[in-house]
Amino acid sequence: EAQVTQNPRYLITVTGKKLTVTCSQNMNHEYMSWYRQDPGLGLRQIYYSMNVEVTDKGDVPEGYKVSRKEKRNFPLILESPSPNQTSLYFCASSSTVLWQGARGYTFGSGTRLTVV
Amino acid sequence: DQQVKQNSPSLSVQEGRISILNCDYTNSMFDYFLWYKKYPAEGPTFLISISSIKDKNEDGRFTVFLNKSAKHLSLHIVPSQPGDSAVYFCAASGGTSYGKLTFGQGTILTVHP
Repeated sequence: EAQVTQNPRYLITVTGKKLTVTCSQNMNHEYMSWYRQDPGLGLRQIYYSMNVEVTDKGDVPEGYKVSRKEKRNFPLILESPSPNQTSLYFCASSSTVLWQGARGYTFGSGTRLTVV
Repeated sequence: DQQVKQNSPSLSVQEGRISILNCDYTNSMFDYFLWYKKYPAEGPTFLISISSIKDKNEDGRFTVFLNKSAKHLSLHIVPSQPGDSAVYFCAASGGTSYGKLTFGQGTILTVHP
């Protein structure tokens, strides 16, 4: 089944303790992205990647890092999490960013992160 | 600055009636618009899209209308079904936003039997 897989689904951590949320896609997509969803703000892009070793900042990159060493994987790293990073995170992938006529991103099921 | 806005946080309709979800945008460079549907504990899934060269796109019970002069689009669901109850996100792309979809805040649709 074609899918984007994120792990873990739920995570509670303490302020300052480094964590990684993994993301993997099995569709051979070149483009991958991370979004966070917050009440009243919708989905905001954190980082995106156009190919292996090519990444760029989205709208809210502060406090996050990403890497794209392999085409299928795009982990999100929080080196020193803070409570304002408590959110619902989505990884997404696409075969194209020429959006015209396309279906946009395929999203994973989400990771609910709580930082206390 | 919220470039894509869904000003109604929630909408409640009766089964069989029409649901109309609205979305406004401010960036005139946007030229492609999508609607996503999201159920609890799942990621958003693509529903329907429209290019700026069109003013209407239809797919079964779902129709999206685009009014470029007003920078407004709407999603019509006819007839509404209880299974349509979900959060609906409007998204837009275009201009220099390579690799980026800009989302609205979402509207929670509840369809009552």
